[in-house]
Amino acid sequence: AQKVTQAQTEISVVEKEDVTLDCVYETRDTTYYLFWYKQPPSGELVFLIRRNSFDEQNEISGRYSWNFQKSTSSFNFTITASQVVDSAVYFCALSEIFGNNQGGKLIFGQGTELSVKP
Amino acid sequence: DAGITQSPRYKITETGRQVTLMCHQTWSHSYMFWYRQDLGHGLRLIYYSAAADITDKGEVPDGYVVSRSKTENFPLTLESATRSQTSVYFCASSEYGLPQETQYFGPGTRLLVL
Repeated sequence: AQKVTQAQTEISVVEKEDVTLDCVYETRDTTYYLFWYKQPPSGELVFLIRRNSFDEQNEISGRYSWNFQKSTSSFNFTITASQVVDSAVYFCALSEIFGNNQGGKLIFGQGTELSVKP
Repeated sequence: DAGITQSPRYKITETGRQVTLMCHQTWSHSYMFWYRQDLGHGLRLIYYSAAADITDKGEVPDGYVVSRSKTENFPLTLESATRSQTSVYFCASSEYGLPQETQYFGPGTRLLVL
């Protein structure tokens, strides 16, 4: 069955440190999509990035970067020079086809709570 | 542009009572979803809907009922609330429900069942 594992439950860093959040997934599909969402203390879920299984190029957006490696089934997220505003729970998710092929649903990891201290 | 809204944002109820959580989206997205968030489990899909009058079960549907008479609304009802249904509930939508589409989430409803 499809599964997403975020082994790091909590991470605490000091501001300006780099931090990597790990995400490992399991899927039998050859075509799939991976997502990262951010949940700040206010509680809403904010979409960060989507990656499809055919594109293994790393992506950088400002201080955020993502490393997708199919060989290790990982989709890790790195924050460079972390800031207090990065404090949040981060979720990795895998999109799979519904059994009736009507659409996709998200399989979420357990989440990693990142605390960035000043 | 309101996007996707949920009400109430916070709810306290007692075991055995019926509770309805509301979800409304202004994008005319076809697909809507209900997830619950629990510590150690991330978010898990309760029910989803492909269009008005089309709904189906997700991973954890027991104890919940949904309906979708209008495209923009997708209420979730706990027919007889139990303490195990204490959780944060998120509604989400996507335009066509395709696996490559981003799902956009509402602000969540925090439900406490005493």
